[in-house]
Amino acid sequence: AQSVTQPDIHITVSEGASLELRCNYSYGATPYLFWYVQSPGQGLQLLLKYFSGDTLVQGIKGFEAEFKRSQSSFNLRKPSVHWSDAAEYFCAVGAGNAGNMLTFGGGTRLMVKP
Amino acid sequence: EADIYQTPRYLVIGTGKKITLECSQTMGHDKMYWYQQDPGMELHLIHYSYGVNSTEKGDLSSESTVSRIRTEHFPLTLESARPSHTSQYLCASSARASNSPLHFGNGTRLTVT
Repeated sequence: AQSVTQPDIHITVSEGASLELRCNYSYGATPYLFWYVQSPGQGLQLLLKYFSGDTLVQGIKGFEAEFKRSQSSFNLRKPSVHWSDAAEYFCAVGAGNAGNMLTFGGGTRLMVKP
Repeated sequence: EADIYQTPRYLVIGTGKKITLECSQTMGHDKMYWYQQDPGMELHLIHYSYGVNSTEKGDLSSESTVSRIRTEHFPLTLESARPSHTSQYLCASSARASNSPLHFGNGTRLTVT
């Protein structure tokens, strides 16, 4: 069975600073990988996804993520954080023909200082 | 703009009541899901459906039940609510392809007193 670990429960960055949120997964083959963002009281919105091909994927809102098979990681990055990026971020992994059955990490809460 | 709708957004009820959380999607997706999310915690899959008349239990055991009589509708029912059912319930849908991303509704926050 697959699993996802997001090592950082909380992260605080200053507005305009760069951001990297870590995600490590466990799965025997090439997984389907996703990053979602959740604002308070809302559902989850898809930021980006990786299935195959180019290991650097671009998403919405200026986010990108890089798949590193050797490190079993799929870290999310943004070069310059905006105050509106404050939210909870979830990494998720899907596997094989059950790819829609996503396993989510515990989430990272991002706070942005003015 | 959400194409998957959950009602109610918030619900406070007493112990022992029967409740149904509604979920509808307008995207024609075959697959639908219910996740349970406690505050500040990860999501756990409690039910899913591959299509009409298909329902399966997820990884997290739940006393709730679901039905899928129409493609667009996937309600979740608790026959007798208890305080331990207090949580946020998120509905999602996806297209048939295994790599199709999930689209989430805004959730129902349930409090059982």
